[in-house]
Amino acid sequence: DVKVTQSSRYLVKRTGEKVFLECVQDMDHENMFWYRQDPGLGLRLIYFSYDVKMKEKGDIPEGYSVSREKKERFSLILESASTNQTSMYLCASTLQGLGLEQYFGPGTRLTVT
Amino acid sequence: GENVEQHPSTLSVQEGDSAVIKCTYSDSASNYFPWYKQELGKRPQLIIDIRSNVGEKKDQRIAVTLNKTAKHFSLHITETQPEDSAVYFCAASSMNRDDKIIFGKGTRLHILP
Repeated sequence: DVKVTQSSRYLVKRTGEKVFLECVQDMDHENMFWYRQDPGLGLRLIYFSYDVKMKEKGDIPEGYSVSREKKERFSLILESASTNQTSMYLCASTLQGLGLEQYFGPGTRLTVT
Repeated sequence: GENVEQHPSTLSVQEGDSAVIKCTYSDSASNYFPWYKQELGKRPQLIIDIRSNVGEKKDQRIAVTLNKTAKHFSLHITETQPEDSAVYFCAASSMNRDDKIIFGKGTRLHILP
């Protein structure tokens, strides 16, 4: 069974803080993704990575950065958190190749006050 | 780039009736169309998918149809049950690009007793 875990289920941070969200998968997947989920907006891709030290911008990368130093770990970084980054953040992973299932983590609900 | 439109945003059906959710996509090169189900408080999970060389696929009470000419695909759930209540996301993936997929905004399905 593929397992994708995220470091926190709930997180509360203050405006201007630097925030790290961690995602770990245990199935040797090459691809990893970060989405944010907001009511009425669905799942929007922030960043993704095809390999260690590689990253690609998704549809809404502004205000975020990522790090992938090891194959199993993909981190999302909010350099200076803002209230409009309050959201549910979902990590996903998949093997490389078209048409393969994305396995999601449980999500981190981030509140920025 | 790819754009996926999903309708309706909310759907209520009587238990035992059928539910249909429709999606359209913009990139004619897309060739993989998955559907994900997200129950309340849980992570999205793949329930069915279809590739562009197939017009219809069925798995017990759920089926997906694809019309490549019109660039739309639909999810059909028959004999709906309370456990079908969830948010459903359609998605599309383009063979011209990498392994990322573009999600629709989601449909919240309510099964009424």
